[in-house]
Amino acid sequence: DAGVIQSPRHEVTEMGQEVTLRCKPISGHNSLFWYRQTMMRGLELLIYFNNNVPIDDSGMPEDRFSAKMPNASFSTLKIQPSEPRDSAVYFCASSFFGQGRGLYGYTFGSGTRLTVV
Amino acid sequence: TQLLEQSPQFLSIQEGENLTVYCNSSSVFSSLQWYRQEPGEGPVLLVTVVTGGEVKKLKRLTFQFGDARKDSSLHITAAQPGDTGLYLCAGGSNYKLTFGKGTLLTVNP
Repeated sequence: DAGVIQSPRHEVTEMGQEVTLRCKPISGHNSLFWYRQTMMRGLELLIYFNNNVPIDDSGMPEDRFSAKMPNASFSTLKIQPSEPRDSAVYFCASSFFGQGRGLYGYTFGSGTRLTVV
Repeated sequence: TQLLEQSPQFLSIQEGENLTVYCNSSSVFSSLQWYRQEPGEGPVLLVTVVTGGEVKKLKRLTFQFGDARKDSSLHITAAQPGDTGLYLCAGGSNYKLTFGKGTLLTVNP
């Protein structure tokens, strides 16, 4: 298995532009998470999908952020319009969660380093 | 909001030394996971502990979950330069993992 695949690895964009980050989770995992990592705040959960359905989006900063999971093998995180304060490393992670079986470990992608200038 | 405090924030030691890093919370978690993150990569799972008082060993790494399932420690024996990285603890509750900010460990040759 190739693991969780994220693209692009690096993205530099100008303030006000739309940014789309992509993620392919591990086959067979039913849970997908988008995290943002900064020095100041560490890893913050943005949104959680279970079986392609958004379950918890309480961490999404504001309406400029949106995420979709059209099928079990693909998810996107979109920022429109982007702002300099969105600069961070964005991680996608997948796992398996089953009622009564608890949470297994997350497998993270390599991340997308976003710089908004 | 469940918070995990990790200490120390930074640790620089010489090869061969022993060290312990800590993860503390006021909340009870159903499980506690430790991850290591290297520069430019995502965190990689090292271990999961689920039972209060549980101790797990992974070669030179020893992980302990507190009796009350609120805290954990990671002890490394005879540290090596390859152990260098950011060590993150994460508390599990239902489907969600809450991460600490990590301990950045540097092991100098």
